[in-house]
Order: sequence, then structure tokens, then C-alpha cells
Amino acid sequence: LAKTTQPISMDSYEGQEVNITCSHNNIATNDYITWYQQFPSQGPRFIIQGYKTKVTNEVASLFIPADRKSSTLSLPRVSLSDTAVYYCLVGLTGGGNKLTFGTGTQLKVEL
Amino acid sequence: EPEVTQTPSHQVTQMGQEVILRCVPISNHLYFYWYRQILGQKVEFLVSFYNNEISEKSEIFDDQFSVERPDGSNFTLKIRSTKLEDSAMYFCASGFRTDTQYFGPGTRLTVL
Repeated sequence: LAKTTQPISMDSYEGQEVNITCSHNNIATNDYITWYQQFPSQGPRFIIQGYKTKVTNEVASLFIPADRKSSTLSLPRVSLSDTAVYYCLVGLTGGGNKLTFGTGTQLKVEL
Repeated sequence: EPEVTQTPSHQVTQMGQEVILRCVPISNHLYFYWYRQILGQKVEFLVSFYNNEISEKSEIFDDQFSVERPDGSNFTLKIRSTKLEDSAMYFCASGFRTDTQYFGPGTRLTVL
């Protein structure tokens, strides 16, 4: 099972680009990398998923180097509303078909 | 954009009472889940459901818990005799593949 490591917290200011890096040294060949966002008292929200290189959608970009042992979620020009917890999940991190959430990265965006 | 919906948004109950939490997953999804999050703690897996049966359950999901998909659209979680420690946000999720799950807004369960 691929274990993930990400910073506990990050601070940023409005308009800045935020990059959150996740380490997953023992990622398996078939594992995808998925990022979720969670606001207080709300369910986790799927943001982006990738397997290799770069994926971009309307919310974020995901950069995955060739060895796939880490990934970086990039949020362009954050705003106050991006303040949330961001979770990096690799494959089915709990085994079976359940998602196992860690403590994630608490991103705080200030003016 | 289709969404997972959950009702009620907030449920208050007395200890020992039965509660049923309801979810309408996204219509073409095949996999259904319940998770919970106690205030200030991690999101925890409870149970997964596929092809009309439980495919996996956690240690939390004991005999007091049950799930049902009574028709083609609803997915319910029943807690038979609630305990104080069952107070949490309960999230339903669904997906067309197991590693991409879409979560509902949650039901806040308060057991008094």
C-alpha cells in the first residue's frame, strides 16, 4: 500500500500560486494519484487525478515526475475560498476499495 | 453536473434510537460508500457496496450498522441503537471506479 506524506499546513496570500507536494515512494504501477479538497463541515470534493506527467483542469494542475514517487498539486492564484484541507491519495490507499484519508494539508489563504 | 445528495442535513436523536441516513448517489455509478468524520478527526471508511452487496466494511461497521439500496436510486445507512460516540458527519460517496469517489454534503448526526 502506498503511504503518502504531505505537509500538515501551508499559508498563502490571495493571488499567489500554491504548490502542495505529496510523497508516495512506494506507489504501485497501477496506482493513480488523486487529490481531494475538504471545506469545514462538507464532504471531500474530488479535485484532480493523474497517472503521470501533467494533468490540468479548471481548478488545478497536477504534476507527476517520471518516477511517480511524488506529485505536486498546483493551485493558481488562490483566493480566500481556497482555504481548505487538501488530501493526496494514491491508488486505493487502504486496500480493497476504500479511500483512506490522512490528515491532509490545511491550506490557509489570507488577504 | 450530477451530485450525490444526502438527507437530512442534520439529525438529532436520543441515545438508543434508530436512525436512517439517506443518500442518492450519482445515477450511473456502480460503487457506493459510507464514511464518517468525527469533529476534528480524519474521514473514516465505514462500508462499501457493489452489485447489491457489501464488498468491504471497517471495524467501525458493527452489527448496529446496516446498509441498503432499496431501489435504483437510494442508498441508506441505518444505525439501530445509536450511541453518543456515533455523533459525527456521515458522508455518502459513489463512483464508477473505486479510486474516484464523489462525496455528498454529509449528514450531521448528533446523539444526545
